[in-house]
Amino acid sequence: DGGITQSPKYLFRKEGQNVTLSCEQNLNHDAMYWYRQDPGQGLRLIYYSQIVNDFQKGDIAEGYSVSREKKESFPLTVTSAQKNPTAFYLCASSRGQDTQYFGPGTRLTVL
Amino acid sequence: GESVGLHLPTLSVQEGDNSIINCAYSNSASDYFIWYKQESGKGPQFIIDIRSNMDKRQGQRVTVLLNKTVKHLSLQIAATQPGDSAVYFCAETNAAAGNKLTFGGGTRVLVKP
Repeated sequence: DGGITQSPKYLFRKEGQNVTLSCEQNLNHDAMYWYRQDPGQGLRLIYYSQIVNDFQKGDIAEGYSVSREKKESFPLTVTSAQKNPTAFYLCASSRGQDTQYFGPGTRLTVL
Repeated sequence: GESVGLHLPTLSVQEGDNSIINCAYSNSASDYFIWYKQESGKGPQFIIDIRSNMDKRQGQRVTVLLNKTVKHLSLQIAATQPGDSAVYFCAETNAAAGNKLTFGGGTRVLVKP
């Protein structure tokens, strides 16, 4: 998991609620990423940020929002507009175009 | 469209044998490839990477082979151990994609005692 932490490990959400997933890194990496993983499947990119105060949509950004106010932090908000939010969420960081290192993940379940 | 995919979804291996996991990619511009290992309920763990100016790279018990002619990547694990049981993903990127990785669907490796 390196120097990347995600919290909480498990998160339960009622329908219609927004929830925010935390991702922090102490690796001094410029770039950070959020992925979604559904059971038995690969990773899909939600949002990524190459530098503080800047971020771009990935392949499945609808229903999600992010902010990058600090280099160390890249929180992900799952909004009520996300129709099927139950999934395993993974945060990663990298130094430029080098290897991405992943956090331990947050499992989100909608009740 | 461009994609990275795996040939075998599940690979059963006898403990002590060598494992070979294959991955095909379609983007001829891909220039950086990574193999990750993911254990159940955990985040992917970096195993080994290779750039397109190489065709082979070795790590501890692992070797990655890159064949750019046929756009094929493989991960070889020597003397497979029970702790190697996991899902393995290949990923690729290229200069035009910036930092964005494209992941394959994953191969599950089951090590039999």
